[in-house]
Amino acid sequence: EVQLLESGGGLVEPGGSLRLSCAASGFTFSGSAMSWVRQAPGKGLEWVSAISDNGVYTYDADSVKGRFTISRENSKNTLYLQMNSLRAEDTAVYYCAKQLGLCSRGTCYFDYWGQGTLVTVSS
Amino acid sequence: EIVMTQSPATLSVSPGERATLSCRASQSVGSNLAWYQHKPGQAPRLLIYGASTRATGIPARFSGSGSGTEFTLTISSLQSEDFVVYYCQQYNNWPPVTFGQGTRLEIK
Repeated sequence: EVQLLESGGGLVEPGGSLRLSCAASGFTFSGSAMSWVRQAPGKGLEWVSAISDNGVYTYDADSVKGRFTISRENSKNTLYLQMNSLRAEDTAVYYCAKQLGLCSRGTCYFDYWGQGTLVTVSS
Repeated sequence: EIVMTQSPATLSVSPGERATLSCRASQSVGSNLAWYQHKPGQAPRLLIYGASTRATGIPARFSGSGSGTEFTLTISSLQSEDFVVYYCQQYNNWPPVTFGQGTRLEIK
């Protein structure tokens, strides 16, 4: 059974930092491209960042470019999102999602998701 | 960036009836469109990809159609567990992949 378990969310002040983790199991993590997707309160889904299966290629939404960094540790079956210079508008539930395949191959949709971790940016 | 627009924002339908949800893209996305179901507090679930292919384990009452800029998710014979939120997502032009704002399906 595929499982994605996010952790690391919490309350942080504007300008602060937080690192999210996503522990994966039940599939070949090292062979899977991954993404982070978020949902602000009362809003829809917004793609945040993506990473290729080997970690060589990463992509970020303009709204987080230069502030967030996606990475992975295949030996630990874990995906990360380092979030710096946090703003109030980054407040959201952050989901870890497994991509069906590489975006470059036209398979950039999400066949499994975690249940999310809440990040609140407030003073 | 491709903008995805879902309509209506809220759809009221009686259990056992059919629901038709719409999704429009600001430019053609071919058939590179997915639909997700999202229950509060749970992980979103992939329903449809390639505009019309049901994902593994998805009941046959869920069907998708369309191509280019106009897409439809149809749920026939609505069950109680279907009254949640649905999102469409294009993955033709990236980054970024983009989602619609969602349609909430409520019991009439």
